[in-house]
Amino acid sequence: DGGITQSPKYLFRKEGQNVTLSCEQNLNHDAMYWYRQDPGQGLRLIYYSQIVNDFQKGDIAEGYSVSREKKESFPLTVTSAQKNPTAFYLCASSPSGLAYTNEQFFGPGTRLTVL
Amino acid sequence: LAKTTQPISMDSYEGQEVNITCSHNNIATNDYITWYQQFPSQGPRFIIQGYKTKVTNEVASLFIPADRKSSTLSLPRVSLSDTAVYYCLVAQGGGATNKLIFGTGTLLAVQP
Repeated sequence: DGGITQSPKYLFRKEGQNVTLSCEQNLNHDAMYWYRQDPGQGLRLIYYSQIVNDFQKGDIAEGYSVSREKKESFPLTVTSAQKNPTAFYLCASSPSGLAYTNEQFFGPGTRLTVL
Repeated sequence: LAKTTQPISMDSYEGQEVNITCSHNNIATNDYITWYQQFPSQGPRFIIQGYKTKVTNEVASLFIPADRKSSTLSLPRVSLSDTAVYYCLVAQGGGATNKLIFGTGTLLAVQP
């Protein structure tokens, strides 16, 4: 059963702690993305990766870090430098350049609450 | 990246056809128009993508006029389960190298 998994679904952390959100896909997609969504807002791109061992900053990368050591995995670390980390985090993946499609496949999301 | 403008919300009743229009006046030659659907606390789901004229799939149709400065997503015979936020995106095609910008979308509320 192919898809994207994110864990955990809900996460609580104390202010000042780093936290890592997991994202795994078995769709054999080259590209992966991390978005943040605040209540009543659209999605904002944090980081994206086109291939293994390569990633680029999105529009709101400050206070976040990522790694892409394996094709299947793209974990996101929310650091203590992120001023307002409480949000809904979405991971997505897409195939690379085979067709002019803008279809991204999204995971179920992780809702992070920083207390 | 082309900016899009769409209504904040729309209301409809079950069984009706719903048309959501999106404006994208500065769309570029290489840009495609893509629509996503998002339910609360879930990730968006791709609905349809087009470049010009009309595209139809099993869930929706996308109408794009010749000047491509707007597009209309058409949902035939909506049901309560179509209540969701619908996003219109304009971006260059190409999957992995593409950066998609999701605005605030259109909240469609379907009533019985």
